[in-house]
Amino acid sequence: AQTVTQSQPEMSVQEAETVTLSCTYDTSESDYYLFWYKQPPSRQMILVIRQEAYKQQNATENRFSVNFQKAAKSFSLKISDSQLGDAAMYFCAYRVYGGATNKLIFGTGTLLAVQP
Amino acid sequence: DTEVTQTPKHLVMGMTNKKSLKCEQHMGHRAMYWYKQKAKKPPELMFVYSYEKLSINESVPSRFSPECPNSSLLNLHLHALQPEDSALYLCASTSGDSNQPQHFGDGTRLSIL
Repeated sequence: AQTVTQSQPEMSVQEAETVTLSCTYDTSESDYYLFWYKQPPSRQMILVIRQEAYKQQNATENRFSVNFQKAAKSFSLKISDSQLGDAAMYFCAYRVYGGATNKLIFGTGTLLAVQP
Repeated sequence: DTEVTQTPKHLVMGMTNKKSLKCEQHMGHRAMYWYKQKAKKPPELMFVYSYEKLSINESVPSRFSPECPNSSLLNLHLHALQPEDSALYLCASTSGDSNQPQHFGDGTRLSIL
């Protein structure tokens, strides 16, 4: 069975600094997708970034980038120039390649605080 | 603004009440999902509809009854709920293409008295 592990329940970063959130996963599949979702207190789960396992190049979305290490089954999220609006719960998620009914498997989440 | 709309945003109900949660999307997505989320926990999958047919039921108690009247609408009918059912209920949708992410609504905060 696939599992996703986030070992940092809480993190804190100063505004304008850089922070890295860790995520590891376990799977025997070779084709899959990895996602980082952000959930602020407003409740909506917002997609931050996604990575296809077959792509070696790390995904980047503005201030957000990932370090995808397929052999190590690691998928960390780096937030550069942190802003107050980045404060939220961050969930790492995995989905095996295939149809839309394949389940999205979430990690336990990392609560990120941004200090002014 | 979210592209997946959930109503109501908050719901308080007694254990003997019957109520429904509604989810709507107009992105042409073919798969829709219900999740239950407790505070500071990840969402737990409840149901998946694909092309308006129930494809996954994660052993959810029968007091939760999903319905997909059409490709844009997903309901969750609630009856005789327990206090432990108090949670945030999230709806999500996706196009059906395997490389597309799920889009989530804002959720309904449900409290059972």
